[in-house]
Amino acid sequence: EDKVVQSPLSLVVHEGDTVTLNCSYEVTNFRSLLWYKQEKKAPTFLFMLTSSGIEKKSGRLSSILDKKELSSILNITATQTGDSAIYLCAVFSGGSNYKLTFGKGTLLTVNP
Amino acid sequence: DVKVTQSSRYLVKRTGEKVFLECVQDMDHENMFWYRQDPGLGLRLIYFSYDVKMKEKGDIPEGYSVSREKKERFSLILESASTNQTSMYLCASTTGGGAGNEQYFGPGTRLTVT
Repeated sequence: EDKVVQSPLSLVVHEGDTVTLNCSYEVTNFRSLLWYKQEKKAPTFLFMLTSSGIEKKSGRLSSILDKKELSSILNITATQTGDSAIYLCAVFSGGSNYKLTFGKGTLLTVNP
Repeated sequence: DVKVTQSSRYLVKRTGEKVFLECVQDMDHENMFWYRQDPGLGLRLIYFSYDVKMKEKGDIPEGYSVSREKKERFSLILESASTNQTSMYLCASTTGGGAGNEQYFGPGTRLTVT
């Protein structure tokens, strides 16, 4: 059974802090790893990672994949209260019929 | 912009009722997905479809069925709603194949079964 585990499950920080969110996976026939941000609505896409060691960056957010360690991290620098959300990691896997498996998410709370 | 729409934002149904949740996407995506999201359990895949009239079970298909008669429309059916199906239901779509692509989500339907 495919499995995606995120840690920590929740995190409380102060504005300006830097945070690192973790995602590890055990899947058959890995294809890609995706990060999403979910506020009080449907998830919105952040990054898709397919190759090890190549950092993807968008403003204060960045992410990298380590296929050897079967994991990925999402970094957020200089956090703001607007970064408060659930961050979801998902892994695309499979052969001819592929599927997307989500982790349970990390709830990030950024206090002023 | 990709648009994924769901037929209702909020729905209240009685136990035993048949419930239809509709999802429509306007970007000619091959793949469509139905998830439910519950506190502490995250997003769980119910069914997905990679082509018209094709469907695959996800992690928790029991109590649900789906229909994909047209490429743009993917319906989730609760044959006989039960209280444990009270949840947020999210539909998503993506282009086909390859290394996996960004999933575009609909706004969600919050279903309450009483």
